[in-house]
Amino acid sequence: GAGVSQSPSNKVTEKGKDVELRCDPISGHTALYWYRQSLGQGLEFLIYFQGNSAPDKSGLPSDRFSAERTGGSVSTLTIQRTQQEDSAVYLCASSLRSSGYGYTFGSGTRLTVV
Amino acid sequence: AQRVTQPEKLLSVFKGAPVELKCNYSYSGSPELFWYVQYSRQRLQLLLRHISRESIKGFTADLNKGETSFHLKKPFAQEEDSAMYYCALKGAGANNLFFGTGTRLTVIP
Repeated sequence: GAGVSQSPSNKVTEKGKDVELRCDPISGHTALYWYRQSLGQGLEFLIYFQGNSAPDKSGLPSDRFSAERTGGSVSTLTIQRTQQEDSAVYLCASSLRSSGYGYTFGSGTRLTVV
Repeated sequence: AQRVTQPEKLLSVFKGAPVELKCNYSYSGSPELFWYVQYSRQRLQLLLRHISRESIKGFTADLNKGETSFHLKKPFAQEEDSAMYYCALKGAGANNLFFGTGTRLTVIP
């Protein structure tokens, strides 16, 4: 596609439910990143995928968070047993390689846990 | 450990006035520094990076290793500059960018 596509754009879920957030990166971009944007907290790195290499999961805040990237393209971020503190905007970005200047961000998924 | 500090959450300036958005970093090696901008209802996008030493939309930023700063400057602010600005750092060999908490700039007409 022309840009990084994220779905859904908004998600309201009940505490304790599982949610899946989807990211469709720019075609040909081998690097894919998930960030969380919370009010007053800036952007928090969650996970990084590069080609077929093992992902860098160092930013995942707990074992309730997991992510997959199938076929080197689409990625899914899963949050199990959601908590209210998980409420945030989840941003996906992709780039040709691991380089800060090449990031293209999606428009994000706003997750609200009630 | 790496850290990016943007001391001002909010900054307001009048149109035509100079603007400086502060960014200080903590990193033991030689980092790459970036400024990203998010306009209202738009996606986060790259504004400029220190290694290119370019001016984008009238903005410049100089990496000062002595002061560990990467302040963003523009001599004459415009209303369309109103946005959220994030300073970001990439450490050597790192996979990802480390972002500051952002500064919301409002340019008053």
